[in-house]
Amino acid sequence: DQQVKQNSPSLSVQEGRISILNCDYTNSMFDYFLWYKKYPAEGPTFLISISSIKDKNEDGRFTVFLNKSAKHLSLHIVPSQPGDSAVYFCAASAKRDDKIIFGKGTRLHILP
Amino acid sequence: DTAVSQTPKYLVTQMGNDKSIKCEQNLGHDTMYWYKQDSKKFLKIMFSYNNKELIINETVPNRFSPKSPDKAHLNLHINSLELGDSAVYFCASSPTGDRDSPLHFGNGTRLTVT
Repeated sequence: DQQVKQNSPSLSVQEGRISILNCDYTNSMFDYFLWYKKYPAEGPTFLISISSIKDKNEDGRFTVFLNKSAKHLSLHIVPSQPGDSAVYFCAASAKRDDKIIFGKGTRLHILP
Repeated sequence: DTAVSQTPKYLVTQMGNDKSIKCEQNLGHDTMYWYKQDSKKFLKIMFSYNNKELIINETVPNRFSPKSPDKAHLNLHINSLELGDSAVYFCASSPTGDRDSPLHFGNGTRLTVT
């Protein structure tokens, strides 16, 4: 039962353009969302988060948008850089517990 | 000066064997975790410990037993290994264990059971 879905296994974007990674969730109790980035042979690293009281959070080139009615969030990276090539995991949690549920990840390729 | 380190990086073993994976964090964090990334790429929590005390214990077979000798270490012992245990196991830590306290992951241990 996938509560956090990342339906695109991979995405290729030209360097300098905008990368948009999408994530859907099914559990309406989720109210805190995170993105993690993972390079090969390394563990995931925290990128950015958003609480359900907001619909947007920005940190440098990274912006996360949350659409609660659609149970959808997206991560925008602009401009995309070669070092952004990695797997991006969407994750979510509900207030009632601190467990974080991860999606399967989307592999982002930044093309030169 | 690795923040969360786990050993070994690779582990190949036969069915029925018992093995351990070690994890240490030097960040001074209170909470440590074990996550499993299976062949379908899902990253799922197995256990979490806060200051040596078990907090989360997901529906993991009894063959898996975490041990936390102190708050900087959380080791994972696996008895009677099965083929389905093959996966990448990630150790992680966080400052407080609260959900808005980002996880710091180790680089993973790839376990292959033959």
